[in-house]
Amino acid sequence: GAVVSQHPSRVICKSGTSVKIECRSLDFQATTMFWYRQFPKQSLMLMATSNEGSKATYEQGVEKDKFLINHASLTLSTLTVTSAHPEDSSFYICSAIRTGGFGAEAFFGQGTRLTVV
Amino acid sequence: GESVGLHLPTLSVQEGDNSIINCAYSNSASDYFIWYKQESGKGPQFIIDIRSNMDKRQGQRVTVLLNKTVKHLSLQIAATQPGDSAVYFCAHRQFRGSTLGRLYFGRGTQLTVWP
Repeated sequence: GAVVSQHPSRVICKSGTSVKIECRSLDFQATTMFWYRQFPKQSLMLMATSNEGSKATYEQGVEKDKFLINHASLTLSTLTVTSAHPEDSSFYICSAIRTGGFGAEAFFGQGTRLTVV
Repeated sequence: GESVGLHLPTLSVQEGDNSIINCAYSNSASDYFIWYKQESGKGPQFIIDIRSNMDKRQGQRVTVLLNKTVKHLSLQIAATQPGDSAVYFCAHRQFRGSTLGRLYFGRGTQLTVWP
């Protein structure tokens, strides 16, 4: 199957700093990637849709200035949590969409555990 | 709507027993359904999928059943093993009028397998 690499897997940062999370599709090109946030014992919550070469589309309630998304190439999307605060601590997951004969298939990264102290 | 944000229901089974995990969805326009397994601290892992023109699909030790009349999806795991312990999510996709590839996730079920 297709591989999506997410980096870093864990990060601890101080309150007020910014953190960048990378999502790479290693063996296919992805025009569309998604970013999710997951709280403990809960489901995945879609934050935004990352579109290569254009602005991301954010879900209602997600601050676009807080969670900056850049999809500069067909294999890389980045999520930057700016001026992080403890309430931003969460598990962040990306998925990359591969299109082809089977339609659109979603492949997920390993997730990033962000802890803001 | 989707049941995002609600706490997970749990299912505990004995090793070797069969497990059945259920999922309800609300969008009748959904045409593609997937079950994912998520182990602690990892991203979702694809298990099996089914399209809306089918009502049953089998994989290795897993079977997915789709009942479009009542908008219900189930995952059956045969001879459950300790390694099956994880959170299981159903997801569905609406073919028309939505972002390509966007998935809507169910609330998930925590499966615990006891030896």
